[in-house]
Amino acid sequence: EIVLTQSPGTLSLSPGERATLSCRASQSVTGTYLAWYQQKPGQAPRLLIYAVFSRATAIPDRFSGSGSGTDFTLTISRLEPEDFAVYYCQQYGTSPPTFGQGTKVEIK
Amino acid sequence: QVQLVQSGAEVKKPGASVKVSCKASGYPFISYGITWLRQAPGQGLDWVGWISAHNGNTIYAQTLQGRATMTTDTSTSTAYMELRSLRSDDTAVYYCARDLDSMMAPGHTPFDYWGQGTLVTVSS
Repeated sequence: EIVLTQSPGTLSLSPGERATLSCRASQSVTGTYLAWYQQKPGQAPRLLIYAVFSRATAIPDRFSGSGSGTDFTLTISRLEPEDFAVYYCQQYGTSPPTFGQGTKVEIK
Repeated sequence: QVQLVQSGAEVKKPGASVKVSCKASGYPFISYGITWLRQAPGQGLDWVGWISAHNGNTIYAQTLQGRATMTTDTSTSTAYMELRSLRSDDTAVYYCARDLDSMMAPGHTPFDYWGQGTLVTVSS
């Protein structure tokens, strides 16, 4: 199965700053089958980005995705207070679908 | 609006079985697959398996070694996931989630709506 490695493990930033989260795959992700989720404590994950750069319904445009092959990035252009959470990448091009271990974005 | 509502928390002893339900509303149930995932305490997400709400076809994670069974009841728009021979490392929050794209092969689509999660604790 494809192993996804996210970095950094924790990102300490202030509201208004730019966040850049990385997701690296152990082998090339088929097609554009890469998604990003946000999870807050005690809640289910929420789909943010799918197909590398397509925003899910009602996701604000400060969230953007990019990348190809084995290297992918989620960028939050200006952090809002509600953006501090854990973010997971997921590949769904090769079965079984797999997730990264997460990046926590915390308030500095 | 689309909702997936799961059954409540469970505490089980090792070797027992658990059955988690996931009631869907707000969309045509048989038009989308349902995926089950789990998240151990403080850990990431693991794919457990998938069921077609249309015809009941299933795919399971090999790591479960045949211990899981997924079913649906289309009359109540409810999906079920049963896990047998429970072990302590099955302790996790179990989620059901709807496939984003019903036209994609199982496991080849992300998940756009999630249940609230069901904590299953396995402890002697």
